[in-house]
Amino acid sequence: AQSVTQLDSHVSVSEGTPVLLRCNYSSSYSPSLFWYVQHPNKGLQLLLKYTSAATLVKGINGFEAEFKKSETSFHLTKPSAHMSDAAEYFCVVRTTGANNLFFGTGTRLTVIP
Amino acid sequence: NAGVTQTPKFRVLKTGQSMTLLCAQDMNHEYMYWYRQDPGMGLRLIHYSVGEGTTAKGEVPDGYNVSRLKKQNFLLGLESAAPSQTSVYFCASSYSKAARTDTQYFGPGTRLTVL
Repeated sequence: AQSVTQLDSHVSVSEGTPVLLRCNYSSSYSPSLFWYVQHPNKGLQLLLKYTSAATLVKGINGFEAEFKKSETSFHLTKPSAHMSDAAEYFCVVRTTGANNLFFGTGTRLTVIP
Repeated sequence: NAGVTQTPKFRVLKTGQSMTLLCAQDMNHEYMYWYRQDPGMGLRLIHYSVGEGTTAKGEVPDGYNVSRLKKQNFLLGLESAAPSQTSVYFCASSYSKAARTDTQYFGPGTRLTVL
């Protein structure tokens, strides 16, 4: 069985401070893990993807995520938040060979000026 | 290269009416997907297709039908719309389901309201 838990439904940070969005996953086999971002009234854009290569994955716009198998986590981080980072972020898992993506319920990031 | 496009962007239906949502991709992807997004929930898979002429059920298929007559197009149909189908619908496509090429690319969404 596959599932994703995003531990925070809403995160609020000040501009210029670090961002941490937490994600735990459950997957029977080797997973592919993704972070997508959705800006208001827009479609989903891929931030980054893990596929069993390097455990530290770098994405677009300064985001990165670290795959920790022992903790079944894939937390998303950014050293310094920008106003344009305000959006909804989804952690997504797919078991290798499966067709489905399984989405977390999302974390809304607010950036305070 | 437009990526994934969806038609229409918005639609309002009355209960019992039917409609078809069109998804088109120009990336020569084999796999295509339809999701719905509801408040407080992640996206849920409705139906998907692993190639032209093939379709399969996802997590929440009831009340929907799909067709993939051409590789680049994936249609989602509602035969008799219900208020519970009020949602934002996203189409996505991917090259394959192999780990290296399974990234799904999403369209901009269709906001459907059923009164």
